[in-house]
Amino acid sequence: ETGVTQTPRHLVMGMTNKKSLKCEQHLGHNAMYWYKQSAKKPLELMFVYSLEERVENNSVPSRFSPECPNSSHLFLHLHTLQPEDSALYLCASSQVRGLNQPQHFGDGTRLSIL
Amino acid sequence: AQSVTQPDIHITVSEGASLELRCNYSYGATPYLFWYVQSPGQGLQLLLKYFSGDTLVQGIKGFEAEFKRSQSSFNLRKPSVHWSDAAEYFCAATYGSSNTGKLIFGQGTTLQVKP
Repeated sequence: ETGVTQTPRHLVMGMTNKKSLKCEQHLGHNAMYWYKQSAKKPLELMFVYSLEERVENNSVPSRFSPECPNSSHLFLHLHTLQPEDSALYLCASSQVRGLNQPQHFGDGTRLSIL
Repeated sequence: AQSVTQPDIHITVSEGASLELRCNYSYGATPYLFWYVQSPGQGLQLLLKYFSGDTLVQGIKGFEAEFKRSQSSFNLRKPSVHWSDAAEYFCAATYGSSNTGKLIFGQGTTLQVKP
């Protein structure tokens, strides 16, 4: 059962392309997150949205641009990416933003930059 | 800085054997602790969590974990491993000094199960 759906599952793009990753949660949650998972590194939190407002940006380069049009949808707009941006991008959601809130993850988008 | 350490990058056990995956968190205010599992090609699934109270917590799929404050540890255990348990396991924590619910992850332990 996955209450968090990410599309596409795989994406290959050139460094000059513009693409978007989509995340949709069906859990009625109010907080959503983007993570980057690279090989041999811990998951890196990129952005946090709470009630559609961006509340955290972890020094992410401007070539990544998030958008949260409503509490169920989260996008990550990509442009002019670098080869080191190749990774698995995971979306997560939680009931609210808080210390004891378990996060529910999607299956991720595997991004490859040529 | 607050951190989570999983000392074992890779562990191999035989099917039916017992399992213990180690997790240590950096000293500080008692964190909220989680274990997640990631199967190949999938996202992370929550196995169990510890907030307070009984230091031995039960999770899904027959897993349990024990919080030991004196050792700053939250090790994951299973009495008898099944082949389907082969996956990557992540320990994570959020700390009381933060109100963002920011999960700090360990680097993960890859579990291989031998027939």
